[in-house]
Amino acid sequence: KAGVTQTPRYLIKTRGQQVTLSCSPISGHRSVSWYQQTPGQGLQFLFEYFSETQRNKGNFPGRFSGRQFSNSRSEMNVSTLELGDSALYLCASSYYRGTEAFFGQGTRLTVV
Amino acid sequence: QQQVKQSPQSLIVQKGGISIINCAYENTAFDYFPWYQQFPGKGPALLIAIRPDVSEKKEGRFTISFNKSAKQFSLHIMDSQPGDSATYFCAASKSEYGNKLVFGAGTILRVKS
Repeated sequence: KAGVTQTPRYLIKTRGQQVTLSCSPISGHRSVSWYQQTPGQGLQFLFEYFSETQRNKGNFPGRFSGRQFSNSRSEMNVSTLELGDSALYLCASSYYRGTEAFFGQGTRLTVV
Repeated sequence: QQQVKQSPQSLIVQKGGISIINCAYENTAFDYFPWYQQFPGKGPALLIAIRPDVSEKKEGRFTISFNKSAKQFSLHIMDSQPGDSATYFCAASKSEYGNKLVFGAGTILRVKS
């Protein structure tokens, strides 16, 4: 069974640009959550999607947004990139809300 | 009230020894406590998880001990091996909030051979 797939693995963007990251959950999993990992702040929850609806949102500015498609695949978008947005962005999928969450390998975003 | 405090920040253990990592939480509404293992360049991998209705859960060399009254839980790695060298994260969540995991700061474990 394939795991959580995140694309791309690495990205370099310029300040002010926007970026879209993609996540394909484990087959059959319906919940997708996104996290930001940085050395200073650790792992922080961004948002959770289930049945194409955002169910939860962390304390991040509105520049961070996401969506989920009918096949459970999810994308997150960051607009007007800032240097501080440089991080590893992780996607986790679970069968249902509140069940075991499995992470992908992440997308390493560098903003220059 | 959303914090999960993890200690120690780093840990060095001899091969064959026991590694112990501790976490404390404040929000009594939390009802799911997983541990994740992360190697450099990889995403966190779920190791073991516990819910408050049991005080201990064991899977292979990994054991979670849970103390509801003290609001603490810990990970014990028995017979630690060099391949266990990684960063370990505890986390907590409230089921009705879905998969909004609150993570500890992480513990860097090094097992010396």
